[in-house]
Amino acid sequence: AQSVTQLGSHVSVSEGALVLLRCNYSSSVPPYLFWYVQYPNQGLQLLLKYTSAATLVKGINGFEAEFKKSETSFHLTKPSAHMSDAAEYFCAVSVINFGNEKLTFGTGTRLTIIP
Amino acid sequence: DGGITQSPKYLFRKEGQNVTLSCEQNLNHDAMYWYRQDPGQGLRLIYYSQIVNDFQKGDIAEGYSVSREKKESFPLTVTSAQKNPTAFYLCASGRSGPLNEQFFGPGTRLTVL
Repeated sequence: AQSVTQLGSHVSVSEGALVLLRCNYSSSVPPYLFWYVQYPNQGLQLLLKYTSAATLVKGINGFEAEFKKSETSFHLTKPSAHMSDAAEYFCAVSVINFGNEKLTFGTGTRLTIIP
Repeated sequence: DGGITQSPKYLFRKEGQNVTLSCEQNLNHDAMYWYRQDPGQGLRLIYYSQIVNDFQKGDIAEGYSVSREKKESFPLTVTSAQKNPTAFYLCASGRSGPLNEQFFGPGTRLTVL
């Protein structure tokens, strides 16, 4: 069965510093992977997705993620943090089930930006 | 504008009452989903539907019911059998298929008094 694990429920970085949010996946088949962002009291917004077309995926708001099969990882990065990046971030994997596909989400990482 | 709407944004109910949360989409998506979100637990799948007039239980379906009579609508009823219904509820929709990219509504926060 496909699953994801997010390492670190809270991450704090200084404004202008590198953002690194970690996600490891488990899947017996090539996975489809996603990163979503959630601002307080709002729904989830798709940041980026991995569909096997390229291992380095660029998303919105300057975020990117690299698929590393050898490490079973799909970490999210941004070179320079902005105050507006403060939010909760979720990694997800598509669970393939012959017409009953669904997403399995990690438990989320809350990102705090220090001025 | 295409998107997903959920209503109401905030909902209060007394213990023992059933309540129905609305979810509507105009994206022409076949699949729709309901999630529950509690602090520190991420999103947990309640019910999902891949096609009109068909739906499946997710991981935490007990105490909830759904219907899918129209492609654009997927209402969720929180029944009195749900022991701890206070939570943030999110609806999503997407195209059927293995990629399963989902688009989310703004959510409904339910509080049981």
